[in-house]
Amino acid sequence: AQKVTQAQTEISVVEKEDVTLDCVYETRDTTYYLFWYKQPPSGELVFLIRRNSFDEQNEISGRYSWNFQKSTSSFNFTITASQVVDSAVYFCALSLYTGGFKTIFGAGTRLFVKA
Amino acid sequence: EAGVTQFPSHSVIEKGQTVTLRCDPISGHDNLYWYRRVMGKEIKFLLHFVKESKQDESGMPNNRFLAERTGGTYSTLKVQPAELEDSGVYFCASSRSTGTPYTGELFFGEGSRLTVL
Repeated sequence: AQKVTQAQTEISVVEKEDVTLDCVYETRDTTYYLFWYKQPPSGELVFLIRRNSFDEQNEISGRYSWNFQKSTSSFNFTITASQVVDSAVYFCALSLYTGGFKTIFGAGTRLFVKA
Repeated sequence: EAGVTQFPSHSVIEKGQTVTLRCDPISGHDNLYWYRRVMGKEIKFLLHFVKESKQDESGMPNNRFLAERTGGTYSTLKVQPAELEDSGVYFCASSRSTGTPYTGELFFGEGSRLTVL
């Protein structure tokens, strides 16, 4: 069975703190894709990053970084020096080919960044 | 380019009534998906269109839900008759044709919040 688990329901930090959002996935497929999406208060989900199962390189984009570890089936997301504008719900997702690509989402982690 | 648009943004109806949600994908995107998020839970897949054909409708909860995509452009999701447990936010997403390289990025609309009283 395929599943994405985001164990942290809500996280609250003070501005400038670093914060890591956890994501653990389950699949028996060897080819898959992992994503992070951000849902700001406006409601629309915004794509942040994609990783395929053959690329375990970590990635850094400004204050955002992602740690993909196949050995632990995790794809964690770290925000460095958080800002109030980072407040949002963050979703981790797993995409698999089942005759067409199907994307499975975690329950989301709500991040509050206080000034 | 215009993003994915959904209408209405919020609908409040009574149990037993009918509601139709509409999604206009990004122009040229063959893939169109409907998802639903219920009260802080995960975003659940409902179905996937490739152009006007239903590629996968395994996530549709029951036969009270009917999705169509006429001419492979916009899509509608009708709930008839609505039940209390249908309340949630319905997201539509679109993506380019699956090919090589696969990007997989889904472009989401802002969602349609449905409240069934």
